[in-house]
Amino acid sequence: DTAVSQTPKYLVTQMGNDKSIKCEQNLGHDTMYWYKQDSKKFLKIMFSYNNKELIINETVPNRFSPKSPDKAHLNLHINSLELGDSAVYFCASSQGSRTRGYGYTFGSGTRLTVV
Amino acid sequence: GQQLNQSPQSMFIQEGEDVSMNCTSSSIFNTWLWYKQDPGEGPVLLIALYKAGELTSNGRLTAQFGITRKDSFLNISASIPSDVGIYFCAGLPVYNQGGKLIFGQGTELSVKP
Repeated sequence: DTAVSQTPKYLVTQMGNDKSIKCEQNLGHDTMYWYKQDSKKFLKIMFSYNNKELIINETVPNRFSPKSPDKAHLNLHINSLELGDSAVYFCASSQGSRTRGYGYTFGSGTRLTVV
Repeated sequence: GQQLNQSPQSMFIQEGEDVSMNCTSSSIFNTWLWYKQDPGEGPVLLIALYKAGELTSNGRLTAQFGITRKDSFLNISASIPSDVGIYFCAGLPVYNQGGKLIFGQGTELSVKP
């Protein structure tokens, strides 16, 4: 049973296109995230949703729009793709508390290549 | 924004050697986590630390939450080829925003059989 699953695994598309990445978690977690991993492997948070409510929106171009239809799903839609959007995008989820921390469970990533 | 300084950036070692990597911050954290990322996969949680001074082991891995709450280290003993990957530290600042973890830059480990 996959805990955090994201699709597709690979996505190759042309500049200017619009694409979506889907994420689902079956852990019963209440918070979900999107992270971007660049070519230097640095992990940078993009968005966080708690029970379908947006709680973190790091300085991300508004071409990126997350959508959470329910607390088990967090999708990422990207408009007008640019070359610089090429990266690996990770979905993650957590169920934490202020005292016990937030141990994320990550999906296996979506490698986006914009040509 | 807040940053974690993780070192070394990369290590090339012989199978059987011990490995040590660390993470430091200029601010106080109340949680430290260590993750491993295999090629083509997402990071997987190895060890979680919640109290200053806490020392926790997971098999050949040992991690400690620094007493100042501004650092953490991870040791791997008797390395084997499957230890290859990228190791990330991550921390939850005291004044955290909605569970936002801060990640280090990663330590890429290569093990020569």
